[in-house]
Amino acid sequence: EAGVAQSPRYKIIEKRQSVAFWCNPISGHATLYWYQQILGQGPKLLIQFQNNGVVDDSQLPKDRFSAERLKGVDSTLKIQPAKLEDSAVYLCASRPRIQETQYFGPGTRLLVL
Amino acid sequence: AQSVAQPEDQVNVAEGNPLTVKCTYSVSGNPYLFWYVQYPNRGLQFLLKYITGDNLVKGSYGFEAEFNKSQTSFHLKKPSALVSDSALYFCAVRDEMGSYIPTFGRGTSLIVHP
Repeated sequence: EAGVAQSPRYKIIEKRQSVAFWCNPISGHATLYWYQQILGQGPKLLIQFQNNGVVDDSQLPKDRFSAERLKGVDSTLKIQPAKLEDSAVYLCASRPRIQETQYFGPGTRLLVL
Repeated sequence: AQSVAQPEDQVNVAEGNPLTVKCTYSVSGNPYLFWYVQYPNRGLQFLLKYITGDNLVKGSYGFEAEFNKSQTSFHLKKPSALVSDSALYFCAVRDEMGSYIPTFGRGTSLIVHP
């Protein structure tokens, strides 16, 4: 079974630029999460999708962050414009409908200069 | 509200010795508890979980964890540490009555010395 795929693995941008991350969850997993992991901290949930609908985006900074999962499969997370404090690893995870365990992708490491 | 604490930023242990990584939690209802491991430049990998049943949970790579309701703890253990166990370990909790969104701890860096 293929795991959660994320791209790019690394990205360096300057502040005020925009950036997009892509995630392909495990086939058949209805639930998809985006997390932000700042160095030295645990993952913090940004947004949760159930199929193509948003379940929870209460911690997503909506003035600059957006995410979509149009067909209930792949998802993209965008930051526009980026700030220095957005430097972090962005993790995507997916979960089958009736399981508790989340399966994480390798993450995208973002550095904002 | 749900929260989780990992009181140690780093745990050092010699290879072959037992290891313990501590985790305490707070929830309103019954807890669902998880341990994940993160190797450098990798995503989180699931180790084990407690939902219900036996308080001692066995997981991947020889790890186990003991659920202690009275102490609200879920410490991760392994009888004999390997150098390859060196990694970042995250405890997570979610309230049974809440959403499917766990709260993660800050992480504990485990260093196993040869």
